Amino acid sequence: DAKTTQPPSMDCAEGRAANLPCNHSTISGNEYVYWYRQIHSQGPQYIIHGLKNNETNEMASLIITEDRKSSTLILPHATLRDTAVYYCIVRVGNRDDKIIFGKGTRLHILP
Amino acid sequence: SAVISQKPSRDICQRGTSLTIQCQVDSQVTMMFWYRQQPGQSLTLIATANQGSEATYESGFVIDKFPISRPNLTFSTLTVSNMSPEDSSIYLCSVEHTGRVGYTFGSGTRLTVV
Repeated sequence: DAKTTQPPSMDCAEGRAANLPCNHSTISGNEYVYWYRQIHSQGPQYIIHGLKNNETNEMASLIITEDRKSSTLILPHATLRDTAVYYCIVRVGNRDDKIIFGKGTRLHILP
Repeated sequence: SAVISQKPSRDICQRGTSLTIQCQVDSQVTMMFWYRQQPGQSLTLIATANQGSEATYESGFVIDKFPISRPNLTFSTLTVSNMSPEDSSIYLCSVEHTGRVGYTFGSGTRLTVV
């Protein structure tokens, strides 16, 4: 079973920051938080991951609470192309470990 | 960037028949993963395919229904056998490339069983 809880859907105005929350209260010390997104009719796409420090890349920022029981994915300036289902996943960072998907959050970017 | 090619991209099949889905990767990988995504649902892992050994199936999936081949480090097939309308889904393969963070997914095979 997925180890994460996400809201089923969210809306965000175009140009605003989209903040997607994720709860992972049972996360283990060696598990990373990964975020993927799936745009309609495409395979999932990796966005970002982190262990305990906040992370930023060209796509998004990841904020992980100090107790690591929750995190927030931030899309700083959402566009219509960011409309997708966003999946928060926890897994050990070993290569070739399988990914178990939860239900994700369906993000609607509103024009 | 890493590329996964899946074939066919879509198919409509008669119940009781079988369909083999191919996944070709542009570089050698250790594990290949097969997922099913039923309409409106999240992805469910079917099995993990390791070259040189039998695939490892997740709970609820069996080899007789979803036989998998992994003849080399860049290729795998998933067969959906004796299909019924309940098998109508998108099937995706996924790999983790060396030197690339995160998993890469194919674009999927959209299967409709009539």
